[in-house]
Amino acid sequence: AQSVAQPEDQVNVAEGNPLTVKCTYSVSGNPYLFWYVQYPNRGLQFLLKYITGDNLVKGSYGFEAEFNKSQTSFHLKKPSALVSDSALYFCAVRDLSRSSNTGKLIFGQGTTLQVKP
Amino acid sequence: GAGVSQTPSNKVTEKGKYVELRCDPISGHTALYWYRQSLGQGPEFLIYFQGTGAADDSGLPNDRFFAVRPEGSVSTLKIQRTERGDSAVYLCASSFGGRETQYFGPGTRLLVL
Repeated sequence: AQSVAQPEDQVNVAEGNPLTVKCTYSVSGNPYLFWYVQYPNRGLQFLLKYITGDNLVKGSYGFEAEFNKSQTSFHLKKPSALVSDSALYFCAVRDLSRSSNTGKLIFGQGTTLQVKP
Repeated sequence: GAGVSQTPSNKVTEKGKYVELRCDPISGHTALYWYRQSLGQGPEFLIYFQGTGAADDSGLPNDRFFAVRPEGSVSTLKIQRTERGDSAVYLCASSFGGRETQYFGPGTRLLVL
């Protein structure tokens, strides 16, 4: 079964410091991986995705993510955090099981990022 | 351009009542998804439409839940005999196709008293 794990409920970082939000996955076959961000009382906003190609994927708002096949990880990173980056972040994998040729997403539990001034 | 819109933004109902939640996808998107997000959890898949047909409804929790998309655009999620456990944020997403990036609406927050 496909699954995603976000091992940290919350990540705290000082403004201007680099940030990392962790994600590991379990899939059969090649993974299609996504990061979304959710601000309070808002829907999910797409940040970036990995389908194939370069292991370092660049996305919106200065975020990037590194795909590591050997560690089955897809950590979200940003070189310099902003207070406005404080939000809830979700990692997701596309369900590639035979019974689901639908592209539905399987999400992690989410990680709250708190950036302190 | 306009994103995915959902109405109402909030819905309070009483146990046992019927509710309808509406999703208006991005124009031209043929794929439409419904997810449910409970407090402190990630979204969970409910149902997927490709055009007018429900291609995958494996995530619907029971037969009280039903969704339609009669003209291949707007979709309505219908919940009969609501229960307190149905309280959650219901998210809609759309994409150009079943394997493209999904764009989410703001959600409908449903509270069943």
